[in-house]
Amino acid sequence: EAQVTQNPRYLITVTGKKLTVTCSQNMNHEYMSWYRQDPGLGLRQIYYSMNVEVTDKGDVPEGYKVSRKEKRNFPLILESPSPNQTSLYFCASRAWGGESYEQYFGPGTRLTVT
Amino acid sequence: AQSVTQPDIHITVSEGASLELRCNYSYGATPYLFWYVQSPGQGLQLLLKYFSGDTLVQGIKGFEAEFKRSQSSFNLRKPSVHWSDAAEYFCALTPSNDYKLSFGAGTTVTVRA
Repeated sequence: EAQVTQNPRYLITVTGKKLTVTCSQNMNHEYMSWYRQDPGLGLRQIYYSMNVEVTDKGDVPEGYKVSRKEKRNFPLILESPSPNQTSLYFCASRAWGGESYEQYFGPGTRLTVT
Repeated sequence: AQSVTQPDIHITVSEGASLELRCNYSYGATPYLFWYVQSPGQGLQLLLKYFSGDTLVQGIKGFEAEFKRSQSSFNLRKPSVHWSDAAEYFCALTPSNDYKLSFGAGTTVTVRA
């Protein structure tokens, strides 16, 4: 089954404790992206990757890092989480070019930073 | 830069009544447009999409949307709402020459019996 998976689905942590949210897709997609969802703001892009070893900032990159060492994986790293990073996070992927312009989303990771 | 506006933050509709959710966009050319639904505690589900061609597109769950270039709009409609349609709805846009997906702020739909 074609899918995007994220782990963990729920995470409660404390300020300053480094964490990683994993994202993996099995569709051989080149493009991957991270979004955060906050009430009244919709989804905003954090980082994206056009391919392996190619990443770039989205609209709200502060406090986040990403890496793309393999095509299927795109982890989101919070080196020193703060309470304002409490949010619902989505990973997405999309094929490069072709006729499909649809992004496929993971199930989401709800992060609480206390 | 592109942007998406959903003017209605919250809509309440009676079960069986019709529903229309508004979406306006700003982009210099014809964009690719999407509607997503997020049920409480769930992820995002794609309802429908518009790339080109017929401006009235049909989606899942009985939803349809109409692209109006002259009004820069892509409104979502359903003729008869079911209680299970209570959710948050997001309109989104991808430029034809890019991969970034820009979302509106969302519209929360409440269905009353």
